[in-house]
Amino acid sequence: ETGVTQTPRHLVMGMTNKKSLKCEQHLGHNAMYWYKQSAKKPLELMFVYSLEERVENNSVPSRFSPECPNSSHLFLHLHTLQPEDSALYLCASSQDSQGTIYFGEGSWLTVV
Amino acid sequence: GESVGLHLPTLSVQEGDNSIINCAYSNSASDYFIWYKQESGKGPQFIIDIRSNMDKRQGQRVTVLLNKTVKHLSLQIAATQPGDSAVYFCAALAPSGTYKYIFGTGTRLKVLA
Repeated sequence: ETGVTQTPRHLVMGMTNKKSLKCEQHLGHNAMYWYKQSAKKPLELMFVYSLEERVENNSVPSRFSPECPNSSHLFLHLHTLQPEDSALYLCASSQDSQGTIYFGEGSWLTVV
Repeated sequence: GESVGLHLPTLSVQEGDNSIINCAYSNSASDYFIWYKQESGKGPQFIIDIRSNMDKRQGQRVTVLLNKTVKHLSLQIAATQPGDSAVYFCAALAPSGTYKYIFGTGTRLKVLA
């Protein structure tokens, strides 16, 4: 039990599909993150939300669209992805900008 | 740009021996560091952290050492067990901006029976 719950754990989608990844944190934190983890690469920060406002957007293609309805929930909407987008997508949360980041178990995405 | 690197992609140790995993960071202004453990098919799990005003911190069977002079961080695991088999990576809080951690690529620890 990590305190950060992600669903689904596994997702296979076609390049024309629309799907969403969901994240919920039970730690009372005020910041939430999406990271991409690819094989043999460091974690790549995609988006950061603080108190439901986006504070970081690291030049992520528009086919990835985040949504943060409240400080406990975060979504990543996926649309017309490419095979190279196949990766482990990790949600995380922290208290404030300098707090320790805690991760969820990740959503394994395969784009076919 | 800022970077964090691990010295060895793979480390094999005998069960019961001590393990040492190393990490180097580039920005001397980084002031907070975390070690994570990531088991196969799971997300990264927080192990231990250290701030730059310390040079050593101990947890249960784990110790983190920080050498700010050479910008080096290490994780020591005492009496390594099969359950310690995982990928370990370090993270440094980037001083240039908030919410930004720089992550290493990870060292895979294999525990031999």
